[in-house]
Amino acid sequence: NAGVTQTPKFQVLKTGQSMTLQCAQDMNHNSMYWYRQDPGMGLRLIYYSASEGTTDKGEVPNGYNVSRLNKREFSLRLESAAPSQTSVYFCASSDQGWIVNQPQHFGDGTRLSIL
Amino acid sequence: AQKITQTQPGMFVQEKEAVTLDCTYDTSDQSYGLFWYKQPSSGEMIFLIYQGSYDEQNATEGRYSLNFQKARKSANLVISASQLGDSAMYFCAMREGQTGGSYIPTFGRGTSLIVHP
Repeated sequence: NAGVTQTPKFQVLKTGQSMTLQCAQDMNHNSMYWYRQDPGMGLRLIYYSASEGTTDKGEVPNGYNVSRLNKREFSLRLESAAPSQTSVYFCASSDQGWIVNQPQHFGDGTRLSIL
Repeated sequence: AQKITQTQPGMFVQEKEAVTLDCTYDTSDQSYGLFWYKQPSSGEMIFLIYQGSYDEQNATEGRYSLNFQKARKSANLVISASQLGDSAMYFCAMREGQTGGSYIPTFGRGTSLIVHP
């Protein structure tokens, strides 16, 4: 039962480097999400993809780009990493994001440190 | 203004006692959903319980129940008979407002619960 798989689990970058966080789900879900979690801030939505072929900005999209590669995969890219992007990143999916009662299933997170 | 407010940064409870974690929300939508998630120290996010805005009965899932007071815009989580394994961060979340055909989720800042033996 893989569910939502995120790679890598840990990463250290230098300021200005680029990186792509990978996310894949095997539950045939339509909607996928990227969050960042910072101490005392809860989870903040970066980008989401309601269905294959669509992506939309969330609350904190600046400095990030996303790609919905296919129904299973949703990647998050940092083009020029900044120390303010040091965080734990979570990918999540839900069956149908256009139905209000759909819970989200989360990956185990990626701990990203930018020096 | 925060859409989800969890006013208790930290809570302590004795094992086997009940505990209530507070959550208030702000929305002008008629259709919305409220969720609670648990995040143990290992870091994963676990879905616990859901309440829809049109549901007249409070949701229950085993030892978890959601005290839904629509007029007060509150959706408190009640954990009965606390266990040591309940020690974790708890997040309240809301899905509201179909934007482009999708309900957008928003999370509160969380409450840290510690269960004492």
